[in-house]
Amino acid sequence: EAAVTQSPRNKVTVTGGNVTLSCRQTNSHNYMYWYRQDTGHGLRLIHYSYGAGNLQIGDVPDGYKATRTTQEDFFLLLELASPSQTSLYFCASSEGRNYAEQFFGPGTRLTVL
Amino acid sequence: KTQVEQSPQSLVVRQGENCVLQCNYSVTPDNHLRWFKQDTGKGLVSLTVLVDQKDKTSNGRYSATLDKDAKHSTLHITATLLDDTATYICVVGDRGSALGRLHFGAGTQLIVIP
Repeated sequence: EAAVTQSPRNKVTVTGGNVTLSCRQTNSHNYMYWYRQDTGHGLRLIHYSYGAGNLQIGDVPDGYKATRTTQEDFFLLLELASPSQTSLYFCASSEGRNYAEQFFGPGTRLTVL
Repeated sequence: KTQVEQSPQSLVVRQGENCVLQCNYSVTPDNHLRWFKQDTGKGLVSLTVLVDQKDKTSNGRYSATLDKDAKHSTLHITATLLDDTATYICVVGDRGSALGRLHFGAGTQLIVIP
């Protein structure tokens, strides 16, 4: 079965702190995504990638960087964390075919004090 | 501007009752629509995908409809169980390929009580 894992599951940092969120998928999918989920909003796309070394900008990229080191691993970097980045972060992966389902990880809850 | 609106925001039903969740959207083009279930503190799990101009799907106790002319979808849950307690999220894809954008609703929180 498809598997997307995220670490850490919970993270607390201070304003200005440096945070890296990790995502690994064992689905052999080319596409990987980072989203944030905030109360009252739908998931919003931060960055995505369609292969190792590839990066694409999403809809809310400000304050975030991402790196796709291998087909399996996708990282989200917050170099100067701010309280507005307190959120629930989800990673997902999918195939490139039509209507391909995105498989989601369990999420990382980030709190920036 | 929110392009995917779900109603109601929250819903409480008794175990065994049926319920209907609504999704209205303004996304154009509207290639496909998918319903996800999100248990508290967990990721999203796909329930069904609708593709055709007027489409219907069924997956166990879950059934869904899509009317692209009305830009409207419904998710029906029959004979609810306590495990159906979750947030149900409507997502509209503007292309069939993975290069398209997904537009997420904020979700309907369903609570099933004994």
